[in-house]
Parts: sequence; structure tokens; C-alpha cells
Amino acid sequence: SQQGEEDPQALSIQEGENATMNCSYKTSINNLQWYRQNSGRGLVHLILIRSNEREKHSGRLRVTLDTSKKSSSLLITASRAADTASYFCATDSGAGSYQLTFGKGTKLSVIP
Amino acid sequence: DAGVIQSPRHEVTEMGQEVTLRCKPISGHNSLFWYRQTMMRGLELLIYFNNNVPIDDSGMPEDRFSAKMPNASFSTLKIQPSEPRDSAVYFCASSFQNYGYTFGSGTRLTVV
Repeated sequence: SQQGEEDPQALSIQEGENATMNCSYKTSINNLQWYRQNSGRGLVHLILIRSNEREKHSGRLRVTLDTSKKSSSLLITASRAADTASYFCATDSGAGSYQLTFGKGTKLSVIP
Repeated sequence: DAGVIQSPRHEVTEMGQEVTLRCKPISGHNSLFWYRQTMMRGLELLIYFNNNVPIDDSGMPEDRFSAKMPNASFSTLKIQPSEPRDSAVYFCASSFQNYGYTFGSGTRLTVV
């Protein structure tokens, strides 16, 4: 089945630095979404980018989508200790279904 | 809205016992999803309902697992009989069409 794969698996940075996470997927999509999960909690929806969009911003988040390469990136600028979490990309099947397939996530640690 | 509400938060049960997990989706959301999260396998979609009707249950591991959605405000996931390998965090999520999921806080199930 189609699945997003995040890269790197783990990332450790200093507070104030930028963090970039990448996601690759296998087949056509309608949209790609990014979620954050704090330890012991449920996932929180961050941003959705549609297949006809190339870039989207939300606060300190910037998401890009390259459908020709079947890849996306999530950039968090000016990171804070509170950004420490796991980040997941999720893709739909591109066939009118609303179900999402999640990757295994990137574990981000922001050191104060 | 209080968000997606799952109960119980934690469940410890003995092998062979029946376990029932409950979920109240966000009012107005027409899709509901049950996911299981483990370190080894990540987030796996178990079953997906749209307008209370099961659409895809291909992720349900075996006949020991069953899910129902008797109305738009309630769903259950039942495991009977439970086994130690069912130990995981089970998440319920709801959405309106494909505008992004809202996840519950999850049920951490331990089968001993």
C-alpha cells in the first residue's frame, strides 16, 4: 500500500535553528498532510497541501510539495524547545477516499 | 467542541479477555477512523467509516477484532479474545471530508 516515508528518522538541533524534514511517497495523491505528535498524546494536524499547490505557509511552518518527485518537505523556522515532537506526513490514495496512510515519522529534539 | 473523546485512556487486561474501546467523534464530522500505533509498525489504519458505514476494514488484523458505529456520535472497537500482541495505543480520529483529521488522545492497551 502507498505510504509516506519520512527522512531523517531522528533530528536533534539547537533552539533557534531551522529544522527540515522530508517525506517521500509512492503513488498519485490528492493532498499531503503533516501532523505532530507529542509524547503520549494523539496526533495534531499541522497543515494540508493539495496536489496542485507547490508551497504553503502557516506561522513558522513552511511545506513544499514536488509531485514530479513524489516528495514533500516540512520546514520549521526558529525552532523552540516546545517543537520537540514526532512529525508525520500522511497521504491519501488519490482515488476520492478520505483515508490517510502515515509514515513512521521524524523524531525532532530541540535542545534549549 | 471537546474534540474526539476516547475511553478508557488506559486498559490493562489479561489474555483471553474481551476489550472494548470507545470513541465519540467531533459533531458534524462524517468520517471516523481507528488506528493502532506500535513502535515496530507505526500507525496502522484498522477500519474507516463514512456516514456510519464501514468503508474499508482491510486493516483489521483478524476476526478477533470488530468495530461498530451505531450512530454518528459513537463508535466501538472490540477485541475478543485479546492477546499480548494486541498491546498498542489505539487512536480514533474523525474528519469532515478530507480537511484533516482530529485525533483523540488514544487508549493505551496492555494485554498480559
